[in-house]
Amino acid sequence: QSVLTQPPSASATPGQRVSISCSGSSSNIGSNFVYWYQQLPGTAPKLLIYRNNQRPSGVPDRFSGSKSGTSASLAISGLRSDDEADYYCETWDDSLSGRVFGGGTKLTVL
Amino acid sequence: EVQLLESGGGLVQPGGSLRLSCAASGFTFSSYAMNWVRQAPGKGLEWVSAIGDSGISTFYAASVKGRFTISRDNSKNTLYLQMHSLRAEDTAVYYCAKDTQPLVPEGGNYWGQGTLVTVSS
Repeated sequence: QSVLTQPPSASATPGQRVSISCSGSSSNIGSNFVYWYQQLPGTAPKLLIYRNNQRPSGVPDRFSGSKSGTSASLAISGLRSDDEADYYCETWDDSLSGRVFGGGTKLTVL
Repeated sequence: EVQLLESGGGLVQPGGSLRLSCAASGFTFSSYAMNWVRQAPGKGLEWVSAIGDSGISTFYAASVKGRFTISRDNSKNTLYLQMHSLRAEDTAVYYCAKDTQPLVPEGGNYWGQGTLVTVSS
């Protein structure tokens, strides 16, 4: 059971917008920055969003992050077939004194 | 270009030990915290351990505390993970990840390709 809760799956058609949620608590999301990663099949994770809503250079602006209270969201607009991947949220947990990941969301582009 | 190259994985019996290494290049290694993150076959990501830029501060997941030791050699730009008392549930691909921050780990912005550790008799 992950400390951060994500829906196990999400789906949408090309061109649509999809949002993936990440729910936590006051000891993690509520008081720390959230990071989002994309993991394509058979590859290492890639940073998509850092510090809640910042995009590293090279990440398209189709990807955006937000945080409110103890929840965070990753939104992907203009969905493409190569966005099909697993997506993970991650943050620091003050109670555990360590980093914690969400269980991951498998995005299917129909 | 940032590069992280893990090595040291392999097959080990339950109760055995293994040391993973991560050779870093393309950035000032001594200025950033470093992390180990693992992924069991078909499962999600699990943070394992982190170490601050100087090596003084270390952090562990409850599942490995007391069995794993993280360390770094800034003169060699290398990160290590010494693993003892290995269990079947430690079987995973282990990734090395450079953190965005120097002291307290916040998130990884560069990841290696991983090294597979299999614990089985």
